[in-house]
Amino acid sequence: GDSVTQMEGPVTLSEEAFLTINCTYTATGYPSLFWYVQYPGEGLQLLLKATKADDKGSNKGFEATYRKETTSFHLEKGSVQVSDSAVYFCALKEGAQGGSEKLVFGKGMKLTVNP
Amino acid sequence: DTAVSQTPKYLVTQMGNDKSIKCEQNLGHDTMYWYKQDSKKFLKIMFSYNNKELIINETVPNRFSPKSPDKAHLNLHINSLELGDSAVYFCASSQEGRRKNTEAFFGQGTRLTVV
Repeated sequence: GDSVTQMEGPVTLSEEAFLTINCTYTATGYPSLFWYVQYPGEGLQLLLKATKADDKGSNKGFEATYRKETTSFHLEKGSVQVSDSAVYFCALKEGAQGGSEKLVFGKGMKLTVNP
Repeated sequence: DTAVSQTPKYLVTQMGNDKSIKCEQNLGHDTMYWYKQDSKKFLKIMFSYNNKELIINETVPNRFSPKSPDKAHLNLHINSLELGDSAVYFCASSQEGRRKNTEAFFGQGTRLTVV
């Protein structure tokens, strides 16, 4: 079945450090790819997405590019802030119409950014 | 104006009890989901409903029974609660039919603790 593998962490960085969170996927077709973020005590929020190969998703200084050849969707940010401390989930979505699509998540990576 | 709201936010109950978690979405989406997040933050789908019809039913014990009275609501009833049911349960919704988008919106989560 479909699966997502991502760095698990936890990771601790200093403010303004460069962040990369690796994510690779296995899928039978052409999934949409997502990064979700979960701030402490909150639900999941969509951070960015890409729906086809070579698409780049970006939001709040984060970027990720859909690489079909390497089946990857790595998340990057050039300069992290304390407010980026959260758990980050890579996910894919694939399936037929009518609700049988489902999000398949990686295991999540906890990021702590220190001032 | 919350897009996906679930109640209660916290639920502490004794083993053997029956409890329900309610979820409502005001986004006009046709598909709703329940996900379970375990103590290690791993997220796994439990159920999905499309236009009130059960579409996805992962390997979840029979004690868990979802009910969708209409497209905007998806409740989760759990019978004979066990210690292992302790987790955070997330409701989510997305639009999978006409005017499909690929993004799922999540509620704030319900932290269930069985003692």
